[in-house]
Amino acid sequence: EDQVTQSPEALRLQEGESSSLNCSYTVSGLRGLFWYRQDPGKGPEFLFTLYSAGEEKEKERLKATLTKKESFLHITAPKPEDSATYLCAVQAHYGGATNKLIFGTGTLLAVQP
Amino acid sequence: DTAVSQTPKYLVTQMGNDKSIKCEQNLGHDTMYWYKQDSKKFLKIMFSYNNKELIINETVPNRFSPKSPDKAHLNLHINSLELGDSAVYFCASSQDIAGLKTQYFGPGTRLLVL
Repeated sequence: EDQVTQSPEALRLQEGESSSLNCSYTVSGLRGLFWYRQDPGKGPEFLFTLYSAGEEKEKERLKATLTKKESFLHITAPKPEDSATYLCAVQAHYGGATNKLIFGTGTLLAVQP
Repeated sequence: DTAVSQTPKYLVTQMGNDKSIKCEQNLGHDTMYWYKQDSKKFLKIMFSYNNKELIINETVPNRFSPKSPDKAHLNLHINSLELGDSAVYFCASSQDIAGLKTQYFGPGTRLLVL
């Protein structure tokens, strides 16, 4: 069964304290892995897409990496405005030529000044 | 410019009522989706439409019926609301039918059934 697991469930960091969020997945034939950021009371906001093992993408203090079994979202020198829930999702085959996104339950990140 | 918009933002109603949520996207995308996010923040797909045609229909009670009058709009009608329907419902859209492109989400509709 296609599955996405994120860890930790919650992470508290001091401003400037770098860390990583983990997303491990089980899917038949990975077609893409997505990272989203979700602020309280808002919809998920797209961050990155990764398609193949070894691929890396960066945006400001965030860097996403991908292996054959997991993805990491590295946060370097975080600021309080980086506080949010970070969601990981993989594309899984639904039927025919159609795919669907399967989400993990997210990591709630709190960065304290 | 709001890319994916939903109305209403909040919806409080009694058990047994029928309600609708509306979604509109101005991105020119061909595919639209409905997701349900439960109290534990788990986001799960319910339906997907491509150019007014239903292409994904997950295991959702028949009380939920999506309707797409055109490719820029996807509405969700819920009959005989139950307590367990309380959740946040998100609309999303993407450029392709295969579900390989990035999905862009609306702000969500917070449904509370009393």
